[in-house]
Amino acid sequence: GDSVTQTEGLVTLTEGLPVMLNCTYQTIYSNAFLFWYVHYLNESPWLLLRSSTDNKRTEHQGFHATLHKSSSSFHLQKSSAQLSDSALYYCALINNYAQGLTFGLGTRVSVFP
Amino acid sequence: NSKVIQTPRYLVKGQGQKAKMRCIPEKGHPVVFWYQQNKNNEFKFLINFQNQEVLQQIDMTEKRFSAECPSNSPCSLEIQSSEAGDSALYLCASSYQNTLYFGAGTRLSVL
Repeated sequence: GDSVTQTEGLVTLTEGLPVMLNCTYQTIYSNAFLFWYVHYLNESPWLLLRSSTDNKRTEHQGFHATLHKSSSSFHLQKSSAQLSDSALYYCALINNYAQGLTFGLGTRVSVFP
Repeated sequence: NSKVIQTPRYLVKGQGQKAKMRCIPEKGHPVVFWYQQNKNNEFKFLINFQNQEVLQQIDMTEKRFSAECPSNSPCSLEIQSSEAGDSALYLCASSYQNTLYFGAGTRLSVL
């Protein structure tokens, strides 16, 4: 079946520094959609980025990611972290909306002043 | 902001009690999902519906949960006999164009 791997469980960094969260995936389907969701405590997980297009950069709210099908990767980056970026970040993929999302284990990002 | 509404936000039950939670999906979204987020923040798929019919469910859900998604009424997920290991955040999501939109969840504590 499908799988998503996020190698970092916890990322701590100082405000203003760049952040990169790794995401790799496995699927037999060539038309998978990849997502980054953000989850703040006591709020709904919300969609940060999504992509199904190979080698195309996707951006939203200062974050960006590029889907690379050759390496099965969808790493999330931001050039300058803010305190408000502290949250849980999940990489996920979907092949068929009926089957829903396959999630990675999540990466907790803590940004300090 | 998500338009998926989940109630109640918090639920406290004793072991062996029933625990029921509800979800109103976004209008026009054809598929509804339930996920369990455990204390390690891992997401586990439980069940999904399309047009009131179950599409898929895991074994645990089939054996211990009762779920429905009737037309013109909230969807519901009910644990028939709560266990300590059921303590988790239960997230409902509705799907449109291959994207899931989540509610804020029901946090269940089983004492």
